[in-house]
Amino acid sequence: GAGVSQSPSNKVTEKGKDVELRCDPISGHTALYWYRQSLGQGLEFLIYFQGNSAPDKSGLPSDRFSAERTGGSVSTLTIQRTQQEDSAVYLCASSFGTNTEAFFGQGTRLTVV
Amino acid sequence: KNEVEQSPQNLTAQEGEFITINCSYSVGISALHWLQQHPGGGIVSLFMLSSGKKKHGRLIATINIQEKHSSLHITASHPRDSAVYICAVSKGSARQLTFGSGTQLTVLP
Repeated sequence: GAGVSQSPSNKVTEKGKDVELRCDPISGHTALYWYRQSLGQGLEFLIYFQGNSAPDKSGLPSDRFSAERTGGSVSTLTIQRTQQEDSAVYLCASSFGTNTEAFFGQGTRLTVV
Repeated sequence: KNEVEQSPQNLTAQEGEFITINCSYSVGISALHWLQQHPGGGIVSLFMLSSGKKKHGRLIATINIQEKHSSLHITASHPRDSAVYICAVSKGSARQLTFGSGTQLTVLP
């Protein structure tokens, strides 16, 4: 695609529900990153994919968070049993390699009520 | 102490002024990135640099590896430059980004 696409752009969910956030990276980009931007915390790294594998999951805040990537393309970030502190903008970025310019999606704004 | 420190946190300038935003980091890095974020919008990569200086239009980014310091300059600033500017460093085998807290720039007409 022309850019990194994320869906939904906004998601309001009730506490305790599961949510899935989707990222469609730029075609041909092998590296994919998930970041989170929350008030008072700034931007933080969540997880990195190289192809379909996730060699670095060090940023996932709890075991309620998981992510997968299929076909070296689309990635899904799943948050189980959402909590209010999960409210944030979740950003996806992709790049051709690990040391090249990163392209960001518009983000998914998640609100847990 | 954060690994990436930016200053100032907020900056207000008059149209036409020369603007400088500073970034210091305390870890070994593979590259430094300057990003721009407009309100309600996504993040756009402005520069990625590992040495020296880069220029794109009215924007100039410099980095001093020995001093672990980078600056972003905007010449002839314009109200459309108003945005949050974020310094980030890539490190580690995955080259994931570690971000500064951002500089909110407002350019008044």
